[in-house]
Amino acid sequence: DTEVTQTPKHLVMGMTNKKSLKCEQHMGHRAMYWYKQKAKKPPELMFVYSYEKLSINESVPSRFSPECPNSSLLNLHLHALQPEDSALYLCASSQEPGFEQYFGPGTRLTVT
Amino acid sequence: QKEVEQNSGPLSVPEGAIASLNCTYSDRVSQSFFWYRQYSGKSPELIMSIYSNGDKEDGRFTAQLNKASQYVSLLIRDSQPSDSATYLCAVRGGNSGYSTLTFGKGTMLLVSP
Repeated sequence: DTEVTQTPKHLVMGMTNKKSLKCEQHMGHRAMYWYKQKAKKPPELMFVYSYEKLSINESVPSRFSPECPNSSLLNLHLHALQPEDSALYLCASSQEPGFEQYFGPGTRLTVT
Repeated sequence: QKEVEQNSGPLSVPEGAIASLNCTYSDRVSQSFFWYRQYSGKSPELIMSIYSNGDKEDGRFTAQLNKASQYVSLLIRDSQPSDSATYLCAVRGGNSGYSTLTFGKGTMLLVSP
């Protein structure tokens, strides 16, 4: 089973809203990732969580904040987003950091 | 210097032909290489991984790795219209570190009936 689930599938939010994206995997993987993908671009890594340690892409603005409640859940909290943050947000997991990654279906986010 | 390079395409092939997708990488010590398929509006799907020089076959797909020349390729035999998608090459390592993957920009493949 290589399933990663993400909720919601679609999200529309205003620039003053606070929302959260959720990601879950039950494969016992030790690493989880958040990516942002704009149209016709490759996935852009935002965060990596592995072995209770969070690694951050320094170019990611502070209006995105990850949270890992346990080893199978990874949330992404969104606050005061901008229209340019509209994108497909992908969660992935891997057995170990740097191993083959399995992606969830993504959340299509639109910021109005 | 770009780390993982792919021709953006589109690569157009007729149904039943062999599609050849290529990828070069700059980090000579990279050890793990992956091919993902991404349909428009969907998430990437892992289709092949390769770690050693040579060929690795899985059904209609063959991945080829040449570490000396720093390239990895994906061959799709008997191409079908359902293979039309963007194919992303990913490499473990590079400036992103060895705990993450570096993706190429992807090659769009169009298979015409």
